[in-house]
Amino acid sequence: QVQLVESGGNVVQPGGSLRLSCAASGFTFSSFVIHWVRQGPGKGLEWVAAIWYDGTKKYYADSVKGRFTISRDNSKNTLYLQMNSLRAEDTAVYYCARSQRGHSGYFDYWGQGTLVTVSS
Amino acid sequence: QSVLTQPPSVSGAPGQRVTISCTGSSSNIGAGYDVHWYQQLPGTPPKLLIYANNNRPSGVPDRFSGSKSGTSASLAITGLQAEDEADYYCQSYDSSLSGSVFGGGTKLTVL
Repeated sequence: QVQLVESGGNVVQPGGSLRLSCAASGFTFSSFVIHWVRQGPGKGLEWVAAIWYDGTKKYYADSVKGRFTISRDNSKNTLYLQMNSLRAEDTAVYYCARSQRGHSGYFDYWGQGTLVTVSS
Repeated sequence: QSVLTQPPSVSGAPGQRVTISCTGSSSNIGAGYDVHWYQQLPGTPPKLLIYANNNRPSGVPDRFSGSKSGTSASLAITGLQAEDEADYYCQSYDSSLSGSVFGGGTKLTVL
């Protein structure tokens, strides 16, 4: 069965850095575009970033461009999100999600999420 | 402000029909990009409910249906049940942003 398991969430000070991971299993990881989507406390869903099958193309929301970097290691079936210069408004549950029909498609499987709290 | 606009809340009695609207613009829904819908129960990740405007994944009851016209889309739920109480989100792709966009979410209350 398809599984996505996020890890790496923690409490970090403003301006700090954090790296999230998403371990995938149950499907051919390299055949799918994978995304990060976040949800602030009591807020709606916000798309964060996406990465192409082989990692050659990456897309970011304006709110994180220049601060976050998405990457993947297909040999380890793992997705990453390097988050730098963190701000209070980055506080959220971060989900990794698999998309069908490429970068512009829909999310058919989601992980359980990992909580990132940016606070002094 | 979300790129896609949804009503913050809707409500209905058990057995009734409710609809949730999702309004976009010429760079997303109006550009022909598909609309997808998700259901989120408290404390759980979103679950795909409708994909590509009007398609239900396996296991989703046919009480849920979607439609799209112009720059808007709608999710309809018939025969409302207590278990349908949840947050609902629409999602599409925006060509000017080169990324996915979500609606702000609609909280469905079953009276």
